[in-house]
This record gives sequence, structure tokens and C-alpha cells, in this order.
Amino acid sequence: DTGVSQNPRHKITKRGQNVTFRCDPISEHNRLYWYRQTLGQGPEFLTYFQNEAQLEKSRLLSDRFSAERPKGSFSTLEIQRTEQGDSAMYLCASSPMTGLFGELFFGEGSRLTVL
Amino acid sequence: GDSVTQMEGPVTLSEEAFLTINCTYTATGYPSLFWYVQYPGEGLQLLLKATKADDKGSNKGFEATYRKETTSFHLEKGSVQVSDSAVYFCALSERNTDKLIFGTGTRLQVFP
Repeated sequence: DTGVSQNPRHKITKRGQNVTFRCDPISEHNRLYWYRQTLGQGPEFLTYFQNEAQLEKSRLLSDRFSAERPKGSFSTLEIQRTEQGDSAMYLCASSPMTGLFGELFFGEGSRLTVL
Repeated sequence: GDSVTQMEGPVTLSEEAFLTINCTYTATGYPSLFWYVQYPGEGLQLLLKATKADDKGSNKGFEATYRKETTSFHLEKGSVQVSDSAVYFCALSERNTDKLIFGTGTRLQVFP
């Protein structure tokens, strides 16, 4: 399978704990994105990497959230001191540098439930 | 800021019925417009796109025309199938960016 891979698919945690999600983009895709989707809503942009550089962060990304993409390959999204409001589906997407802007390839998502 | 508004669902149709899902947008520039689809248990997939006014995107029997005068990008299909049951998201991206702004999604249920 050469699609975008996300792990874990589902994470249940207690409030105050830290969680980390991993995204493996399609090989050779330079651009990588994180979105968040809550029930009944469309995905909302969180952050964007071009290779290893984080080029944009949404105001939705509080200081408890941090994303990295070392070596420009896989990416991690860490949420510290989780709150119940962080419960959502976290989506990763990638696109090639030469592709049409906005034409993203999404993973199946990582669902976070904070108790 | 830029935004996308799409009709609420669920939309319930019988097989072979005609489908329209309305989508309108607000943007300061000249965005590209997209329809993404999410089938049960799968990730979002690009269904079709249009990059400028009067462009028609089409794929798998679905069509949508970029209407600048009405700021709309309505999704249509002449004859739906049970396999089209999914959630459909209208989205825009500002020129030369990948940051997508999505609507809230419309669930389509097609019954045999």
C-alpha cells in the first residue's frame, strides 16, 4: 500500500496525558499537512510542512500542540496535557511539489478520545 | 475570511435518481474549488476540481461547474448508485496555496 499511513488509528487517553500521532506520507511527496476534524464538521487546517520546514501554523494550534517532520519524511503531531476538547480525528495529507495546489492525498486519520 | 457553505444532509435518494449537492463559497481572491469524498471507513479522496471560472470538473459521472457570478460549485450526478453513498465535502484553496478550507460535509445515502 503506497498511500498515506497514520498511526495509531485510535487513541483513548485520560485528560492531562500526552499523545503522539505519526504520519507516513506518500513516498517523494514534499508537502505534508495536518488537519483536525470534529464530529459533523469539515477538516480544519492545523499546519503544513514543505520537506522538513514547517511553513505555516494555524491559530488552532495552541502551544500544547507541536508537529515535526525530521528529515522531510514522516511527521509526528504531539499533544501535551490533553483536554477533552482535543477529542477529534487528526488527518494527515501529502502532495507532491509539482502537483496542483489543493490536490491532497489523505490518510485514514487518527481518532483521539480524551476521557 | 474565506469560507465554504454546503447544504446540510443527509440527502437520501433512490438508486438512479438525480443528485445535486449545493456549495457556495466566499473568497477574496480567485480560489481553486474541489469536491472531496469520504467513503465509509476510508480517507478523504479528491473527486473533482476546477481552477478557474466556468471550468467544469468531472469524475465518475459527477460534475461541478465553477460559477464565479454566483460563487457556487454545485455537485451533480445524473444517476446515483448505492456505491455513491458517502460524505461529500466542498472545499477551496486560495491561489498558490495548499491550505484547504472545507465545508461541513453532506452525507449522501442511496437506497436500492
